[in-house]
Amino acid sequence: EAEVAQSPRYKITEKSQAVAFWCDPISGHATLYWYRQILGQGPELLVQFQDESVVDDSQLPKDRFSAERLKGVDSTLKIQPAELGDSAMYLCASSPGGLTQETQYFGPGTRLLVL
Amino acid sequence: GQQLNQSPQSMFIQEGEDVSMNCTSSSIFNTWLWYKQDPGEGPVLLIALYKAGELTSNGRLTAQFGITRKDSFLNISASIPSDVGIYFCAGRQAGRTNFGNEKLTFGTGTRLTIIP
Repeated sequence: EAEVAQSPRYKITEKSQAVAFWCDPISGHATLYWYRQILGQGPELLVQFQDESVVDDSQLPKDRFSAERLKGVDSTLKIQPAELGDSAMYLCASSPGGLTQETQYFGPGTRLLVL
Repeated sequence: GQQLNQSPQSMFIQEGEDVSMNCTSSSIFNTWLWYKQDPGEGPVLLIALYKAGELTSNGRLTAQFGITRKDSFLNISASIPSDVGIYFCAGRQAGRTNFGNEKLTFGTGTRLTIIP
């Protein structure tokens, strides 16, 4: 069964350093999402792509976070500089795209710890 | 950001018991989804609901889309050890983009623990 791939699974960094997370969606899925999940809470959307275009980045802290999906396939989320409050699970999800009743499939996530 | 209200926050039950949890919102949704998340993993979809009043089952799981479109319920019958985890509801509102695949708003989660 096709899955969303994410790497790394775990990342420990010091504050003010740069970190990057990678996501490879299910093959053929046009829509890709990045979520942040703080411990004890549900995931919150950071950015949504349709192919290579950003559809929604209203919750992305753009002063330090950036996301790209240059060829409309895999995607990278970057944080620079990292802050203590960025410690969380970063989840990537994908869906086929374009229909109103689509299921989002999640990857295993990258757990970030900022020291 | 907005999060949906889930109740209860946590449950401690014995194996074989039935489980009920719910999710409420101040906004109307046109889709309700229920996910389960194991520690250190991403959420896995359990059930999707698309119509008000809809009742859908997936094995021992049954979920309902509330008539008001502002709530949803999940029931698990005859719980087993592998049911342990955190259950999240998620709602999707009517479209505001041209793509039709609107973002999900997640609940705060219900943590299920089974007592030996």
